[in-house]
Amino acid sequence: QSALTQPPSVSGSPGQSVTISCTGTSSDVGGFNRVSWFQQLPGTAPKLLIYEVVDRPSGVPDRFSGSKSGNTASLTISGLQTEDEADYFCCSYTRRREWVFGGGTKLTVL
Amino acid sequence: QVTLRESGPALLKPTQSLTLTCTLSGFSITTGGMGVSWIRQAPGKALEWLGLVDWTDDKFYSTSLKTRLTISKGASNTQVVLTMTDMDPVDTATYYCARAYMNSWLFDPWGPGTLVIVSS
Repeated sequence: QSALTQPPSVSGSPGQSVTISCTGTSSDVGGFNRVSWFQQLPGTAPKLLIYEVVDRPSGVPDRFSGSKSGNTASLTISGLQTEDEADYFCCSYTRRREWVFGGGTKLTVL
Repeated sequence: QVTLRESGPALLKPTQSLTLTCTLSGFSITTGGMGVSWIRQAPGKALEWLGLVDWTDDKFYSTSLKTRLTISKGASNTQVVLTMTDMDPVDTATYYCARAYMNSWLFDPWGPGTLVIVSS
């Protein structure tokens, strides 16, 4: 069982917005602003989308945004595009000086 | 351009030890704020963080696997080596290395990964 809880799947139509949640505890998500999000297309390595809860690396479209409230972090994708169909994983630093990932969420663009 | 690439055996027998090498290009593990992390993904499963070595040679390990893991820098500082002992079929996974930018607590970029199968 993964340390961070994500919904197994979400879906949306092109142009819509979807939000993926990532729930942890006060020892990880709630205790640090060190949450990141990754996109994994089939057969490829994960790609960084968001770091430190809200920051985007250069080259990541501003359609991708991150937030956090208490022990839950969220990734919102607005203006859904078909190429956004992928698996999404959250990740957080923890008080035990280690990192933990979420179970992953499969996004389907209908 | 920063790149990483994993290399090592594709097939192991149960109880054997795994040694994987991550070869770095475009950055040095000895530069302040840098690190290299290892992460794995069993087929169809979630990502699992294994461990990390930073520029000071400080090491961080997954609590659940730390008795089996060793991460070390290579002599040239362009390689980072992962050793995992007592491999089991449940350890079958794609193993990734990724640059850790410690100042921003991020992993980017990742290597393409290498699939390791443990089977008798």
